[in-house]
Order: sequence, then C-alpha cells, then structure tokens
Amino acid sequence: ETGVTQSPTHLIKTRGQQVTLRCSSQSGHNTVSWYQQALGQGPQFIFQYYREEENGRGNFPPRFSGLQFPNYSSELNVNALELDDSALYLCASSPVGASGGSYNEQFFGPGTRLTVL
Amino acid sequence: DAKTTQPTSMDCAEGRAANLPCNHSTISGNEYVYWYRQIHSQGPQYIIHGLKNNETNEMASLIITEDRKSSTLILPHATLRDTAVYYCIVRRYSSASKIIFGSGTRLSIRP
Repeated sequence: ETGVTQSPTHLIKTRGQQVTLRCSSQSGHNTVSWYQQALGQGPQFIFQYYREEENGRGNFPPRFSGLQFPNYSSELNVNALELDDSALYLCASSPVGASGGSYNEQFFGPGTRLTVL
Repeated sequence: DAKTTQPTSMDCAEGRAANLPCNHSTISGNEYVYWYRQIHSQGPQYIIHGLKNNETNEMASLIITEDRKSSTLILPHATLRDTAVYYCIVRRYSSASKIIFGSGTRLSIRP
C-alpha cells in the first residue's frame, strides 16, 4: 500500500458542472502526475506537476487544469463536465532527487471514480 | 516512448508460474522495460523494470531477449491475489513525464 491518498472516493456530477479532485502525495515526493482511466482501458496521462509548475501535459483540453501546493498535495480541476469525463482519476507521486532521476517509480493512489450524468 | 504489444488475456493455475509476454520491437537503446499491474479498483502498482539484463525482485522476474525486442514477466508461484491487469511499458529512465499505458494483459488465476 502506497502513501498516496485521494479524495473523494466517488463523485457524481451533472454535465456542465465543475469538479475538484484532491491528492495527497507520498511523503518526500515532489512530483505528481494525474491520469484518466476510462472503463476497460489503460490510464491516460493528463499532466504532471513538479515544484508547483506544470511539467508536461497529455492530449487533454484546457478545461482540465491542476495545482500543486507547497506541501506537494495537488488538485485536478475539470470545468464544463462532459459525459465522456466519467472515469477513474488517478494521481501518482514520485520522488525526484537532486540528480533529477527517479521520475519512473510512480506510486499511484486508489483513484476517484467520477460519474457525469 | 515506444509502443508495446501484449495478449489481451491469459490464465494460469494457482501455484504455477505465470509467464506474461510483451513485444516492444521499436524499443530504443536508452529505453527501459517497466511492468505495472492494476488489481481491480486499485491504482497501478510498480512491479519491476530492466534495461537488458534479467532482473528479479521479491515480486517477479523479468526476462529480456538479447535483441531487446521482447520480454517476459514471470510470477513464479501465482496466487489468487495476482489476478490483475498487467501493463508492459517502455520508456526512458529519466523521462520526466508520462507513462504511456496500453490495454495490458488481464491475468486470471484459477484455483
């Protein structure tokens, strides 16, 4: 079991609404990545934050945005929800040392299941 | 990052070795092979990674062919708790961004 936690566990919203999902990284991890996983598919990369700055983005529209805080917790915000946004949203944290390595051992949280009606 | 090809599903008897294949014919010289698994309703879990030598840890063994175009993840004594989707991923070690997941292999362990 990793130290990455996410809240809420489940969430139901209606089309057009906005949602904020939260992630608390594992202690000592300064990089967080967010993924969207539709039913029956592998996770798709949304974006990554390193030291409170966006550090890479996948093929997702600007209505998907994020924040990382000084304590390395983070948020994923989605505006103008669409039915296709229904998915499991995963965050993953990783440690990055002074050498810049170890982005690769990403530790995933349990996810937030978002349903858009 | 290079793409990988995995069988959609496999099954294995409990207590036997589970051998999960992965093809990555376009892998570059500086790219590693990583394996993750995802148990139902949980986030993906890192299993093992390697460059060109075989690797072993407490969870599994990774066998990479000499030409590095394919690999096999071996769970030596499969248990029911190993039932999961297994993802084979190829990426540079110091890649600063995304993990590209495919559809993975759904492994079912039968009693």
